[in-house]
Amino acid sequence: AQTVTQSQPEMSVQEAETVTLSCTYDTSENNYYLFWYKQPPSRQMILVIRQEAYKQQNATENRFSVNFQKAAKSFSLKISDSQLGDTAMYFCAFMKHRTSGSRLTFGEGTQLTVNP
Amino acid sequence: EAGVVQSPRYKIIEKKQPVAFWCNPISGHNTLYWYRQNLGQGPELLIRYENEEAVDDSQLPKDRFSAERLKGVDSTLKIQPAELGDSAVYLCASSLVTGNYEQYFGPGTRLTVT
Repeated sequence: AQTVTQSQPEMSVQEAETVTLSCTYDTSENNYYLFWYKQPPSRQMILVIRQEAYKQQNATENRFSVNFQKAAKSFSLKISDSQLGDTAMYFCAFMKHRTSGSRLTFGEGTQLTVNP
Repeated sequence: EAGVVQSPRYKIIEKKQPVAFWCNPISGHNTLYWYRQNLGQGPELLIRYENEEAVDDSQLPKDRFSAERLKGVDSTLKIQPAELGDSAVYLCASSLVTGNYEQYFGPGTRLTVT
């Protein structure tokens, strides 16, 4: 079974600064996907960024980037130039390759607060 | 393109009462998921449908929970009877079957059992 661990229940950052959220996972799979989802108070889960395990290059989406360390089973999210709208709960999630099923396994979440 | 629609957004019931949640996925999405999210935790899968077939229901408490997706489009999740521990947010998500692994989530239904 897969497990996802987020060891930072809460984090805060000043507006315009950079923050990194940590995530580690455990799996025996070789092909899989990793995701970061954002959940604001409205509860709508929004995909922030995804990483395919077979790709060595770290994914980047505008101000969001990841540091994917496959051997260490680590998948951190870096948010640059933090904005007030980034305040939300952030979940790291794992999914086995589609041929093995498509259940998302989530971590416990990190509450990020961006302060003005 | 309309997103995943869920109703109701909030529901308060007394324990032992039945409750039902409805979900309409994004048009054309064959795969539908129901997740339960307890307070302060990440969502956990209850059931996954491929069209009208439930292909992963290993974590659905079958003694009190049931789900259906009769025509392979919208879906209903039912709890009967509800228990205090069922208080949670119930999230529905959908995705395309092939060539796309991204799941799109609805706003969820917050259930409070008193």
